Amino acid sequence: DAKTTQPNSMESNEEEPVHLPCNHSTISGTDYIHWYRQLPSQGPEYVIHGLTSNVNNRMASLAIAEDRKSSTLILHRATLRDAAVYYCILRDVRNRGTSYDKVIFGPGTSLSVIP
Amino acid sequence: NAGVTQTPKFQVLKTGQSMTLQCAQDMNHNSMYWYRQDPGMGLRLIYYSASEGTTDKGEVPNGYNVSRLNKREFSLRLESAAPSQTSVYFCASTSRLPEGDTQYFGPGTRLTVL
Repeated sequence: DAKTTQPNSMESNEEEPVHLPCNHSTISGTDYIHWYRQLPSQGPEYVIHGLTSNVNNRMASLAIAEDRKSSTLILHRATLRDAAVYYCILRDVRNRGTSYDKVIFGPGTSLSVIP
Repeated sequence: NAGVTQTPKFQVLKTGQSMTLQCAQDMNHNSMYWYRQDPGMGLRLIYYSASEGTTDKGEVPNGYNVSRLNKREFSLRLESAAPSQTSVYFCASTSRLPEGDTQYFGPGTRLTVL
C-alpha cells in the first residue's frame, strides 16, 4: 500500500496562509490524494481530494506536484478554528468496494494557529 | 440526514466486561469502518466492511468482533474488555462518487476500561 509522510507539527500566525506538505513517493496512478482534518474532541472531517490537477473548494486548495509524489494543502488565511490535526491519505480507486479498501490514517500534522 | 450516528457517547467498563458499540448511517453508503484513537495519537483501523455481508480485519483487530447487520448498521463488540482498549472509537462510512470517495465520521464513543 502506498504510504504518506507528513511533518508532526506546524505553526502558523492567524490570517496568514498555511502550506501543509505531504510526501507520497510510492503513489500509484490510481491513487486519489485525500485530506481530512480533526478538530479537538471531534471526529475527522473531509477537506479536499484530487487525482492530478490542483483543486479548490471553500475550505482549502490542494496543489499536486507534476510527478504526483507530493502534495500541499493550502489554507489561504488561517483562523483559530483551523487549529487541528491534518491527515493526508491515499485511496486507490481500484479498491472501491473490495476487501482491499482499508483506508489507513497516519499520525497527521498537528497545526497550531497563533493569534 | 443524521449522517453517521454512534451510541453510546460515553461508557465506563470494568476489566472483563463485554459491550457492543453501535453505528448507523443513513446515507446509503456501502463501506463502513471502525477506528480507535488513543490519546494524542492518530486513527488506527480496527475492522471494515466493504459491503453488506462482508467484514475484514484492519490494523488492530485483536480483542474485537464486528457485525454488519445490514447496509445501515455496523457494530463493534468487545467480548472481554481490557484497560488497553481504553480509547475513543470512531465509526465512518464512505460515499462512492465518480470524482472520488469521501469518508464521513461519527462523533465518537469515549470508552474507559478500569
